[in-house]
Amino acid sequence: GQQVMQIPQYQHVQEGEDFTTYCNSSTTLSNIQWYKQRPGGHPVFLIQLVKSGEVKKQKRLTFQFGEAKKNSSLHITATQTTDVGTYFCAGGTGANNLFFGTGTRLTVIP
Amino acid sequence: NAGVTQTPKFQVLKTGQSMTLQCAQDMNHNSMYWYRQDPGMGLRLIYYSASEGTTDKGEVPNGYNVSRLNKREFSLRLESAAPSQTSVYFCASTTILPVRGEQYFGPGTRLTVT
Repeated sequence: GQQVMQIPQYQHVQEGEDFTTYCNSSTTLSNIQWYKQRPGGHPVFLIQLVKSGEVKKQKRLTFQFGEAKKNSSLHITATQTTDVGTYFCAGGTGANNLFFGTGTRLTVIP
Repeated sequence: NAGVTQTPKFQVLKTGQSMTLQCAQDMNHNSMYWYRQDPGMGLRLIYYSASEGTTDKGEVPNGYNVSRLNKREFSLRLESAAPSQTSVYFCASTTILPVRGEQYFGPGTRLTVT
């Protein structure tokens, strides 16, 4: 069945260091979404990528969708303590639902 | 707009008890979802409703039932709770036409089954 794998599961960084999480699908995706969940909170939408090779930026966050539409990454430049949380990718196929990755929990050490 | 609301926020059940988790959205979304979140396993889809009047199984439907009461409300029922159903449950809603939109999540229900 559809699977979306995400690595790493955990990442601890010093404040100011960069951070990257990777998402890989076993099948070709129609789109990919990224969400952030703060500790004790609920997932909040960050962005959606649809096109092969697409790159989008939101301030210090850079999102990429692979050429084959099977992988994606989220890169944060110069992390801040406000970046703490778990980042999830979610891959969509032609069907209605999304398949969420297992998430990467980011800890930022001041 | 309240967005997506869920009740209750916390619940403790004994094995074999039943309960219904309520979810409502005020964004006029057609599609609604129930997920469970367990440590290290991300979000797993239990059931979804693509539109009013339809429901479909997701990845982990066993032990659950759902009702799409109207466009706004989508409830999740546990008929006979088991300790394996201890989890955090999130309801979400979105639009899927003409393009897939972002999913809006409720605050979650933290359920413990003893």
